Amino acid sequence: DGGITQSPKYLFRKEGQNVTLSCEQNLNHDAMYWYRQDPGQGLRLIYYSQIVNDFQKGDIAEGYSVSREKKESFPLTVTSAQKNPTAFYLCASSPGTGYNQPQHFGDGTRLSIL
Amino acid sequence: GENVEQHPSTLSVQEGDSAVIKCTYSDSASNYFPWYKQELGKRPQLIIDIRSNVGEKKDQRIAVTLNKTAKHFSLHITETQPEDSAVYFCAASMSGAAGNKLTFGGGTRVLVKP
Repeated sequence: DGGITQSPKYLFRKEGQNVTLSCEQNLNHDAMYWYRQDPGQGLRLIYYSQIVNDFQKGDIAEGYSVSREKKESFPLTVTSAQKNPTAFYLCASSPGTGYNQPQHFGDGTRLSIL
Repeated sequence: GENVEQHPSTLSVQEGDSAVIKCTYSDSASNYFPWYKQELGKRPQLIIDIRSNVGEKKDQRIAVTLNKTAKHFSLHITETQPEDSAVYFCAASMSGAAGNKLTFGGGTRVLVKP
């Protein structure tokens, strides 16, 4: 969706380095999500945030950190503790969580190890 | 937590034939079931969704059915066309205090042969 912007499109990480993936939305959505997708597999939830200054761990949060200081921004940091970071990272947003509403995705960031 | 199984993992059909993808879920409290289509290297795009108070939903050549008792739901694509070739993901979630967390199936790679 044009309202969700992820950057960069490609990112390379050196061993021991932390890298941050950007996700910005102009849809005025309350909820934002980060997913990891490995080749030939489904999406797995890393972190999600229902409201500014609040976020929860998903199914595979180890080695990742997030912040939600602004409604429109939900950056993901892949830390050096994540030993297998090579994957396609997708950010999504939805209007809220009070009643299930569709999640819409950005174009993704492909992270590789140098 | 929720677990979603998706079958088949690959599906090859002749153009004009129908394609059916099936998913089962484990948490009877799940009440929202979206389907996403993902073309190679691109974002997943929502194609249809169904909520637990509905048994069937159609949108042109696409339909989804839900059997809450058996905890399974299916995607039906009729009159398939080459542009239907993609990976399709089902997902399940439950709204509530835990947030609108989607659990995805492993995906089905659909190939429509001209």
